[in-house]
Formats: sequence, C-alpha cells, structure tokens
Amino acid sequence: AQSVTQLDSQVPVFEEAPVELRCNYSSSVSVYLFWYVQYPNQGLQLLLKYLSGSTLVKGINGFEAEFNKSQTSFHLRKPSVHISDTAEYFCAVSFYNQGGKLIFGQGTELSVKP
Amino acid sequence: KAGVTQTPRYLIKTRGQQVTLSCSPISGHRSVSWYQQTPGQGLQFLFEYFSETQRNKGNFPGRFSGRQFSNSRSEMNVSTLELGDSALYLCASSLAATGGMSSYNSPLHFGNGTRLTVT
Repeated sequence: AQSVTQLDSQVPVFEEAPVELRCNYSSSVSVYLFWYVQYPNQGLQLLLKYLSGSTLVKGINGFEAEFNKSQTSFHLRKPSVHISDTAEYFCAVSFYNQGGKLIFGQGTELSVKP
Repeated sequence: KAGVTQTPRYLIKTRGQQVTLSCSPISGHRSVSWYQQTPGQGLQFLFEYFSETQRNKGNFPGRFSGRQFSNSRSEMNVSTLELGDSALYLCASSLAATGGMSSYNSPLHFGNGTRLTVT
C-alpha cells in the first residue's frame, strides 16, 4: 500500500536560519510528488511538484525539494526562513491517472521564531 | 481568475441531521475532488468527480456522497451526521483532461474549506 511519512510533526527554527522538512514515501509504482502549505483557517496552496525530469525542483517563496528515488524521499528545503513561513506543510503523492486523489503525510508544523 | 469557492465557510449541525456542502471550481477546471481534514486522521481523500461522473472514491461510508453538475460545480452530502464527522472539508479542482499527460500534470487548487461542527 502507498503511504507518505513526514518524519517531524513540529520544526521550530529561528528567522533567517535554513530549514529542511523531511518526507518519505512508500510505493511499488511510480509516483508524482507535491508539497503544499496551509496557513491558519485557509486551504492548501501548492508550493512545488515533481512529475519527472530534474530531481531538484524549485517552487514558490524560495522553497525547493529534491526527489531521491533510491531513498524514496522528497525533502523540502529553504536556505533562509521568514516569520511569514510559519504554517503547516504537507507532503503528498499521486499516481498515474489518479490525479485527483492525493495521499498526504500527517503534516509538519513549521514555527519560525524571531 | 477566481479561485475555488466553497460555501458555507462554517456550519454547525446536530447529530443525526444531514448537510450539503458546495464547491465552485476554477473556471475551466473539470475535475473536483473532496478531502476531509481532522486533527487525528489528517487529510483524507473522499472522492473525485470529472464530467459529472465519480472517477475515484476513498474509504468512507456510504453516508458520504457527492455529485457534479454540468457546469463542473460540485456538492457533497453527509447524511445521519455523527460527532466524528466534525472536520474541515476541502474541495480542490484541476484541469484533469481525460487521459494523456494533463490528467496528472495538472495540480490541485484548493478552496478555503467548510468547517463542519457536529454537536
């Protein structure tokens, strides 16, 4: 069965420090990978996606992620965070011809402190 | 371009009642998916509609149902509400043309959700 594991439920970090949010997935078939962000009382906003091609993917707000097939990982990184990055981050996978069905990780709460 | 619109934003219902939630997708988007978000279970897929047909379904009881209209707007219905149905219900739309690259090369765009409280 396919699953997504976000290894940290909470990540506190100081402003302007780098951050990495970890995501591992389990699947016997090829996957498409996504990172979404959710601010309080809002829906999910797409940060970036990996469908094929270059394993380093750049997204919005200065975030990037690297797909590692051998490690079945898709970790999210930002070299310098801002207070406004405080939010919950979700890693998700989907599969061929099931674009509307995403399997989400449990989320990582990023808390940026001044 | 307007985003995905969900109505109402907040809803309070009593156990045993039924509820209908509405979702208007981004103009031109033909696929609508529904998700339930709770603190305990996280984000779980309910179902997806494309061209008025349910294309995919998650593991939820039959009390949860949906439909899609010819203009791609979608509704989700929950009958005989239980306390555990209290959640944020999110709707997402995508281009998702039939077959080909665009069916999975089209990311989901989410609405702000309907927060349902069952008392």
